Amino acid sequence: EVQLVESGGGLVQPGGSLRLSCAVSGLTFSRFWMSWVRQAPGKGLEWVANIKEDGSEKYYVDSVKGRFTISRDNAKESVYLQMNSLRVDDTAVYYCAKGAGMVVIDYWGQGALVIVSS
Amino acid sequence: QSVLTQPPSVSAAPGQKVTISCSGSSSNIGNNFVSWYQQLPGTAPKVLIYENNKRPSGIPERISGSKSGTSATLGITGLQTGDEADYYCGAWDSSLRAVLFGGGTKLTVL
Repeated sequence: EVQLVESGGGLVQPGGSLRLSCAVSGLTFSRFWMSWVRQAPGKGLEWVANIKEDGSEKYYVDSVKGRFTISRDNAKESVYLQMNSLRVDDTAVYYCAKGAGMVVIDYWGQGALVIVSS
Repeated sequence: QSVLTQPPSVSAAPGQKVTISCSGSSSNIGNNFVSWYQQLPGTAPKVLIYENNKRPSGIPERISGSKSGTSATLGITGLQTGDEADYYCGAWDSSLRAVLFGGGTKLTVL
């Protein structure tokens, strides 16, 4: 059974930092693109970033470029999202997601809530 | 405001058919595959359609996808109350070099 388990969410002040982690099991992690997708309270899905199987390619939504960094450790079968200079509008549930290719997502985690507030 | 445009809501009676549209441009839908996701209340999304019209295993034939030019459509026949959910289209944008989601469509089965 494929499982994606996020951790690291919580409450942070504007301008602060947070690192999300996602542990993946039940598949050969190193063979798949991985993504982070977020959903603000009561809003729609917003793709945040993705990373190629070997980490050689990374893409980001414009609103997080220069502030967020996606990375992965294939030995630990984990993907990460380092979030710096957090803003109030970054408040959302952040989903870790496995790619079926570069774009399509076929497995999702349960989500980690990030609240940016003073 | 999303680059991929969906109607905010659609509704139909049980047993009927509904379609949900997703409109984009040549940099996304026009030249890239479209996928569709269903998000039931309080849960993570699930892929229903990928590569415009392909269904993952376990997705019933009453769910279909199509694409024409810069627009895509999700169709659901034989509506059930369990189909009440939010539906999102998704596609790669070659100009933005980013994955896009539509704004989402809330389906109500009356």
